[in-house]
Amino acid sequence: GNSVTQMEGPVTLSEEAFLTINCTYTATGYPSLFWYVQYPGEGLQLLLKATKADDKGSNKGFEATYRKETTSFHLEKGSVQVSDSAVYFCALIALGGATNKLIFGTGTLLAVQP
Amino acid sequence: GAGVSQSPSNKVTEKGKDVELRCDPISGHTALYWYRQSLGQGLEFLIYFQGNSAPDKSGLPSDRFSAERTGGSVSTLTIQRTQQEDSAVYLCASSSASGSSSYEQYFGPGTRLTVT
Repeated sequence: GNSVTQMEGPVTLSEEAFLTINCTYTATGYPSLFWYVQYPGEGLQLLLKATKADDKGSNKGFEATYRKETTSFHLEKGSVQVSDSAVYFCALIALGGATNKLIFGTGTLLAVQP
Repeated sequence: GAGVSQSPSNKVTEKGKDVELRCDPISGHTALYWYRQSLGQGLEFLIYFQGNSAPDKSGLPSDRFSAERTGGSVSTLTIQRTQQEDSAVYLCASSSASGSSSYEQYFGPGTRLTVT
């Protein structure tokens, strides 16, 4: 079946550190891939997406590249800020089904310290 | 414009009671999804609506859960005879039906349900 695996948290970094949150997926065909972010006390927000192999999604300094060879979609940011502290969810939509339902990873809590 | 809204934001109910959760999608969005976020299960899909029909109900955990959508807009998720394991945050999302933006789902703030 379709699934998403992402690294366990929490991830604790100092401000301006480099961030990587690993995400790998299992899916039939070529899914669309997403990163969602949930800031404290807020709802889920779409951070970035990629819909085909080698696409790079980017937003707010975050990037992720759709790697078909390694079935991965790792999230990166060159210099994190305290305001980036949140829970990050990797997700996929498996195309060709009756629905565009999102399948989520378990989430990774990021805590950035000043 | 207005985003997805959900009500109530918090609901505390006694075990065995019925509850109704409401979702107002973004105007013009024909696709509507319900998800559940709980500590033990993470984020899981419940049901999908396209217009007023529900072609995918595969995520509903039991026959105590049902949902409807009327007028292609507002949706209600009903949980009958609530159990403690139903305690979770229930999230609603909507998206447009066509093009690449059909993959972008916009989430509401959720309803936190606590069953005592």
